[in-house]
Amino acid sequence: SAVISQKPSRDICQRGTSLTIQCQVDSQVTMMFWYRQQPGQSLTLIATANQGSEATYESGFVIDKFPISRPNLTFSTLTVSNMSPEDSSIYLCSVDPGHFDQPQFFGPGTRLTVL
Amino acid sequence: GENVEQHPSTLSVQEGDSAVIKCTYSDSASNYFPWYKQELGKRPQLIIDIRSNVGEKKDQRIAVTLNKTAKHFSLHITETQPEDSAVYFCAASFPLGNQFYFGTGTSLTVIP
Repeated sequence: SAVISQKPSRDICQRGTSLTIQCQVDSQVTMMFWYRQQPGQSLTLIATANQGSEATYESGFVIDKFPISRPNLTFSTLTVSNMSPEDSSIYLCSVDPGHFDQPQFFGPGTRLTVL
Repeated sequence: GENVEQHPSTLSVQEGDSAVIKCTYSDSASNYFPWYKQELGKRPQLIIDIRSNVGEKKDQRIAVTLNKTAKHFSLHITETQPEDSAVYFCAASFPLGNQFYFGTGTSLTVIP
């Protein structure tokens, strides 16, 4: 399976600031996704990062708050903008190396704490 | 979007016993159902998956069953071991786009 890395692994930020999280894959992948996992909770899909076009956001998530880039088939970024303590979560990227009906593989996650 | 419910939220079993986790989904168009195991502080790891054209799949001590008519699927772990202790998530996937919608998770504890 693909090797996926995320940067940073963790960060502590002040409210009102923004943080950009990077996701790097060691091979070209068709689909990349961003999830949020609040403490002790399940994974919630934020958006699908589309290569060369705007991301597709799930209900409850908007581009102004979570801008996403995907400049190529191996890299994506998620920015958490104008942060508040409620944004404290683990943010995970995942990749789908093949086509539909394929498992996704997750990056190690970025643990974000907003003070 | 898809709504996935998962039960129970916590499960404790004695080592060697079986564990069963159940999920239901709402959208009959969903056609791919993976299960992930997440240990504390680690990323979710795929343990088994099933596609909608299959009713059951087995991999050593782990099996998954799917009832498309009832829109539910289950994870079965036999001969449980302490290292099976983790949080387990089911998910359902749409055929287009492969977005995953996760259940709420089951915290499994295997008591030695």
